[in-house]
Amino acid sequence: AQKVTQAQTEISVVEKEDVTLDCVYETRDTTYYLFWYKQPPSGELVFLIRRNSFDEQNEISGRYSWNFQKSTSSFNFTITASQVVDSAVYFCALRPGSARQLTFGSGTQLTVLP
Amino acid sequence: DAEITQSPRHKITETGRQVTLACHQTWNHNNMFWYRQDLGHGLRLIHYSYGVQDTNKGEVSDGYSVSRSNTEDLPLTLESAASSQTSVYFCASSPNRAPRDTEAFFGQGTRLTVV
Repeated sequence: AQKVTQAQTEISVVEKEDVTLDCVYETRDTTYYLFWYKQPPSGELVFLIRRNSFDEQNEISGRYSWNFQKSTSSFNFTITASQVVDSAVYFCALRPGSARQLTFGSGTQLTVLP
Repeated sequence: DAEITQSPRHKITETGRQVTLACHQTWNHNNMFWYRQDLGHGLRLIHYSYGVQDTNKGEVSDGYSVSRSNTEDLPLTLESAASSQTSVYFCASSPNRAPRDTEAFFGQGTRLTVV
């Protein structure tokens, strides 16, 4: 069975602060994919990134960066110089290579205060 | 442009009534999914389908059913609505091999209230 844990239920930061959202996963598959989705107040789910289990290279996209560590089964997401528009619920998700459906974490509500 | 649409976007129904939520995608994706979103639980898988005539139960399938008679549609039926089924429902679709810059495509969600 797959499991994704996002221990941080809510985080509040002041604009321009850096913030890291934690994600820990469990799977028995040797091939798997990890994801981050953003859900803004409007409610839609916005795909942010997909990472393959065999590619531990960290990734940076603008103010967003992701740290994938297989040794600790973690896939953490950092927003640098946060902005009010980053306020949203962020979900980490896992898909084993043997399946096509996603297992989601419970989400982290990020609030960025002006 | 290809898309995935859910209808209705909002619905209020009474306990015990049968309710069907529609999901329609125009990408010709083989895979379709239904999730429900509840505070503290994230999104949980209800049912999924890998193709026409294929349906499978997910983590929280009790009280729900789906059917896949064509590629484009996966309607979700609540046989006898219960208050515990008050939730936001998301439909999603994906190809068998997703390109690197995306994964499943999600609908806008349906907010269902059972009173």
